Amino acid sequence: DAKTTQPPSMDCAEGRAANLPCNHSTISGNEYVYWYRQIHSQGPQYIIHGLKNNETNEMASLIITEDRKSSTLILPHATLRDTAVYYCIVRGPNAGNNRKLIWGLGTSLAVNP
Amino acid sequence: GAVVSQHPSRVICKSGTSVKIECRSLDFQATTMFWYRQFPKQSLMLMATSNEGSKATYEQGVEKDKFLINHASLTLSTLTVTSAHPEDSSFYICSANGQDLSYEQYFGPGTRLTVT
Repeated sequence: DAKTTQPPSMDCAEGRAANLPCNHSTISGNEYVYWYRQIHSQGPQYIIHGLKNNETNEMASLIITEDRKSSTLILPHATLRDTAVYYCIVRGPNAGNNRKLIWGLGTSLAVNP
Repeated sequence: GAVVSQHPSRVICKSGTSVKIECRSLDFQATTMFWYRQFPKQSLMLMATSNEGSKATYEQGVEKDKFLINHASLTLSTLTVTSAHPEDSSFYICSANGQDLSYEQYFGPGTRLTVT
C-alpha cells in the first residue's frame, strides 16, 4: 500500500472550514484514499473515502487531485467536537476481507472557539 | 448499523495476571476482526488479524503466546493478554468487517489496559 504524508498539526477557528491535506504520490491506480479520525481515547471513526472523483457525505468532502497524488479533506463548518487526529490512508480495493490499514501519525486538528 | 463494542472499556490489573478483552459486532456478521495496540501519542499498530473459525495471523514482532486471540463466532473475538507486564499497558482497539458491509472496517471504542 502507498504511503501518505500529512502535516502533524493544524488549527482552525470554530465555524470555519478545515482543510486537511494529504500527499500520496506513490498511489496506484486501484488504490483508494480513506480518511478516519480519532477523538482522544476513542476508537477511530470512518469519515469518507474515494478513488478519483470528489466525494461528499454528511461529515465531509474529499477532493482528490486529477493526478491522484494528493487529496484534501474538508470539514465545511468545523465545531469543537471535530477536534481529533485525522488519518489519511491509502489502501487497495476490498477484494477479500483481509485488507490491512496502515496508520501513520495523522494530523492533529485543534478547533478553537 | 455497523456497531462494534468492546468490553471492558478500562481495566487495571496486577503484573503477572491475565486479562481478557472482548470485541463484539452488534449488528453484522464479522468474518474478520483486527486487533490494534496504540501507545500514547503514537499511531495504531496492527497486532493480528483473525478470521472466524481459524487461527489468527500475527504481525511481525507480536508474540502469539502472549496475546491469545480467539474468534469462535461471527460476532465475537477475544484478546487475552497473558502474564501482563507494565509495558503491556496500552490502548487496545478492535475492528471488524464483513461481507454485508463490503468489507469496510468498523472500530470498537477501545480498551485502556493499565498493568501495575
